[in-house]
Amino acid sequence: DIQMTQSPSTLSASVGDRVTITCRASQSISSWLAWYQQRPGKAPKLLIYEASSLESGVPSSFSGGGSGTEFTLTISSLQPDDFATYYCQQYSDYPRTFGQGTKVEIK
Amino acid sequence: EVQLVESGGGLVQPGGSLRLSCAASGFTFSSNWMTWVRQAPGKGLEWVANIKLDGSEKYYLDSVKGRFTISRDNAKNSLFLQMNSLRAEDTAVYYCARDSSSSHWSLFCDYWGQGTLVTVSS
Repeated sequence: DIQMTQSPSTLSASVGDRVTITCRASQSISSWLAWYQQRPGKAPKLLIYEASSLESGVPSSFSGGGSGTEFTLTISSLQPDDFATYYCQQYSDYPRTFGQGTKVEIK
Repeated sequence: EVQLVESGGGLVQPGGSLRLSCAASGFTFSSNWMTWVRQAPGKGLEWVANIKLDGSEKYYLDSVKGRFTISRDNAKNSLFLQMNSLRAEDTAVYYCARDSSSSHWSLFCDYWGQGTLVTVSS
């Protein structure tokens, strides 16, 4: 199975900060990577697909990058709605696997 | 508007069975792969299974293989997950999700339901 490792597990930041979350795959997944946001008690929401493509309706403050085994999700200016948990997921191979999540907390 | 509504969750004893359903609307159900993802209380997301447009291909997480069966009824715009021989570690919120792909290869999930809670406990 392809293991996805996110860092950090928790991130404390303030409104307006620029934050970056890293996701590493245990083997190359080309650009077959998605990022999701999950607020407490809610379903996940797709943010980014194919590593860097922004889903329709998602603010342009979100951006994704990387390929192969190393990927990033960047929020250019944190807004109150952005405090949530973020997951990466590979869809290169079965079983599909998620990272363990990164919780973005208010500092 | 795409809508996915799960049902069928509840409390079941270890070794028991449960059948989850997902009612889809707002898109042509037969044109997309469909997926089940679960989340244990306080834990991360875990992909469980997915099924091709016509049901001809199905893929499973190893730990549920032989116990869970994913199926779909395109005439009724419905997705199902039959869960047998349930274990305590299957306790989770189960989400139904639409795959973005209409082709031979599944991709990522672009719409998610609100989930249904399955609790396996004596």
